[in-house]
This record gives sequence, C-alpha cells and structure tokens, in this order.
Amino acid sequence: QQQVKQSPQSLIVQKGGISIINCAYENTAFDYFPWYQQFPGKGPALLIAIRPDVSEKKEGRFTISFNKSAKQFSLHIMDSQPGDSATYFCAASLNNAGNMLTFGGGTRLMVKP
Amino acid sequence: ETGVTQSPTHLIKTRGQQVTLRCSSQSGHNTVSWYQQALGQGPQFIFQYYREEENGRGNFPPRFSGLQFPNYSSELNVNALELDDSALYLCASSLGQGKFGYTFGSGTRLTVV
Repeated sequence: QQQVKQSPQSLIVQKGGISIINCAYENTAFDYFPWYQQFPGKGPALLIAIRPDVSEKKEGRFTISFNKSAKQFSLHIMDSQPGDSATYFCAASLNNAGNMLTFGGGTRLMVKP
Repeated sequence: ETGVTQSPTHLIKTRGQQVTLRCSSQSGHNTVSWYQQALGQGPQFIFQYYREEENGRGNFPPRFSGLQFPNYSSELNVNALELDDSALYLCASSLGQGKFGYTFGSGTRLTVV
C-alpha cells in the first residue's frame, strides 16, 4: 500500500529557530519527493523537491534530508520566520515524473514572533 | 503568465445531487490532475488527464468522473453526492504529466448537506 506518514501534526517554533518535519514512506519504488506549503484558503505550492540519488538538497532556508535505507526524508526550515506559518505537506510519487502524488497528512507550523 | 483558476470557489449541494467543478490550467500546461482534500488532511489523488485522456486514477468510485477539453481546461463531475464528499477539491496543472512539477489552484470548497 502506498502511504506517506508525516510527523508531527503540529509544530510551534520561535522566530529564528529551526523547524523540522519528518516523513516516512513504504513504497521503495517512489522516486520523487516534494514538499508543499499551503496557506489558508490557498492550494499547495511546491517548496522544494528531491530525488533518491542525492541525500540532501538546499534552497535558501529550506533543506531536504533524504535517507533511502530508512525510507525517511525530512524538511528543515532554518531561521524560521512568522511568514513561514502554514501547513506543510510531504509527498511522494512514482516514475520520476511527479505525477499521482501521495501526500502525507500535513504539519501545521506556527512560528512565534 | 496566468496560474490555475478554479470555479466556483464555494458550493453547497444536497446529498444525492450532482456537481460539476471547473478548472482552467496554467498557460502551456497539458496535464491536469484533481485532488480531494478533506478538512485537516493531505490531498488525495482522484485522477489525471493528459491530452484529453484519463491516464491515472486513484481509489475513487466511478461516480467521480472528469473531462479535459482541447484547450486543456478540465471538469470534475461527482454524481450521487454523499456527505463524505464534503471537501476542498484541488486542480493542479503541469507540463508533460508532472515531470516539471505541478501548479495547484486555490480549490473549490464543496459542502454536501
């Protein structure tokens, strides 16, 4: 069964701190792992994505760490800002195409000023 | 460059009725996917259309159907509405079946009473 499990469900971080969200997957055939950010009343927006041939990808304050053997990947938000307060979803898909995304349950992040 | 637009933004229907949701894909995108997002959960893949043909389907019953038009816009039709169909319905468009990532619309909030 294709599943992606995400934790924690909610997270409160002080401004300037590091936010860490974790995901675990079951299907070893998954080959594309994006993270999406969703603000209330909006659709998800692609934040950053990684493929299993690398262990880490960094874009600005956002970093994905990928552990293929453990079937886990995580999102790190450095220097977290109040504007980062949103719901974050990890996802996974097959065929190196980014289609038919299987999403995690989401993490509601609140960054306190 | 226009993004993905969905209509209507909100809709209230009675159990047993039928509903049609509409999506205009981002300019140049030839692939459209539909997702159902229940309150507090991650989006779930319904189906995907590429060049007017359905080329992927999630675990949804046949009363969920769709169309893609020559201009790549799309419709999601749901027959015999049930209370559990109440959700945010998201449309996402991409180029080349998601190979370059998806752009999501803001969704249609469907309430079934």
